[in-house]
Amino acid sequence: KQEVTQIPAALSVPEGENLVLNCSFTDSAIYNLQWFRQDPGKGLTSLLLIQSSQREQTSGRLNASLDKSSGRSTLYIAASQPGDSATYLCAVRPILSNDYKLSFGAGTTVTVRA
Amino acid sequence: GAGVSQSPRYKVTKRGQDVALRCDPISGHVSLYWYRQALGQGPEFLTYFNYEAQQDKSGLPNDRFSAERPEGSISTLTIQRTEQRDSAMYRCASSLTGAVSEQFFGPGTRLTVL
Repeated sequence: KQEVTQIPAALSVPEGENLVLNCSFTDSAIYNLQWFRQDPGKGLTSLLLIQSSQREQTSGRLNASLDKSSGRSTLYIAASQPGDSATYLCAVRPILSNDYKLSFGAGTTVTVRA
Repeated sequence: GAGVSQSPRYKVTKRGQDVALRCDPISGHVSLYWYRQALGQGPEFLTYFNYEAQQDKSGLPNDRFSAERPEGSISTLTIQRTEQRDSAMYRCASSLTGAVSEQFFGPGTRLTVL
């Protein structure tokens, strides 16, 4: 069974500092990895999706890397802002065909102090 | 365009009552997923539909839980004879197809069983 771990569980930084969020998974046979943002009372917002053949994906201030062989992904958020405060979740999809369920980590809760 | 919608957003019920949770996916999305999220945890897979066919229900915890998607669009997750342990956030997601697997999530239904 795939186990996804996110460390740290919580992070507090001053505005302007870069954020580094870690995600590890036990089974490297993945099809892709997705990073989500969760805000209270709202759904999960998809931030980045990295296919297993890719090493990284970038969107604005966000950059996600994937090292499938070591079972790790890192989400970098440059020049953090108070609006980046949220819980960030990573999820992996297995490589098996017709298996589309995502396995999620418990998330990292980020607080950016103004 | 409209995203995934879920109703009700909040549901409080008494133990032993049946509840029905509704999900309206993004128009044109073939695949629909149900997840359950406990406080402080990531979502856990419950069931998956491709069009109207329930392809995977391996995550449903017991036979009190059922789901349907009769016309391949709106889906209903039903919990019979609710128990306090069923209290959680129930999340629905959809994707264009299972293969193109970026999943888009709705706001969730917060279920509280008293």
